[in-house]
Amino acid sequence: DAGVIQSPRHEVTEMGQEVTLRCKPISGHDYLFWYRQTMMRGLELLIYFNNNVPIDDSGMPEDRFSAKMPNASFSTLKIQPSEPRDSAVYFCASSGTGGKNEQYFGPGTRLTVT
Amino acid sequence: GEDVEQSLFLSVREGDSSVINCTYTDSSSTYLYWYKQEPGAGLQLLTYIFSNMDMKQDQRLTVLLNKKDKHLSLRIADTQTGDSAIYFCAERMDGGGFKTIFGAGTRLFVKA
Repeated sequence: DAGVIQSPRHEVTEMGQEVTLRCKPISGHDYLFWYRQTMMRGLELLIYFNNNVPIDDSGMPEDRFSAKMPNASFSTLKIQPSEPRDSAVYFCASSGTGGKNEQYFGPGTRLTVT
Repeated sequence: GEDVEQSLFLSVREGDSSVINCTYTDSSSTYLYWYKQEPGAGLQLLTYIFSNMDMKQDQRLTVLLNKKDKHLSLRIADTQTGDSAIYFCAERMDGGGFKTIFGAGTRLFVKA
């Protein structure tokens, strides 16, 4: 299995631009999570889906952030408009429902907003 | 509220044991985890413990769980420079869904 796939790996954009981050979870996993990691705030859960349905989006910082999961193999996190304070590493993770439910993390997207 | 707390830094000499501590809040958590993050990579599950266990050993790793005090620890024996990473404590919230709460991470420095 290829693991969780994220694209792009690095994104540099100017303030005000729209940014779209993409994630392909592990096949067969029915939970998908979006996290943001910064030195100041550590690892923050932004939103998670179960069977493509958003379950908890209380971590989404503001209306500029939105996430979708149109099917079981694809999710996007969009920031519009982007701001310098959005600069962070964004991780996608997926998990199944059996056993210990460990989360498998993607390699992350490093976002820099100038 | 939901919170997992752990110290931010730990420095040890190569060959010594490392002990990383964590406290959590949800007494009903079924699983508690330790994840490892190496530079430039995502988190990866290192080990876990089921809530009805007190201890779990896996090669150089020992996990201790004190449910009464809601305290979890990870001991790494014979710490190597390759163990330098960030270690995250996490608990699975069993109140619905499979939301996992992560601590801030402990950055382990191993001096040669």
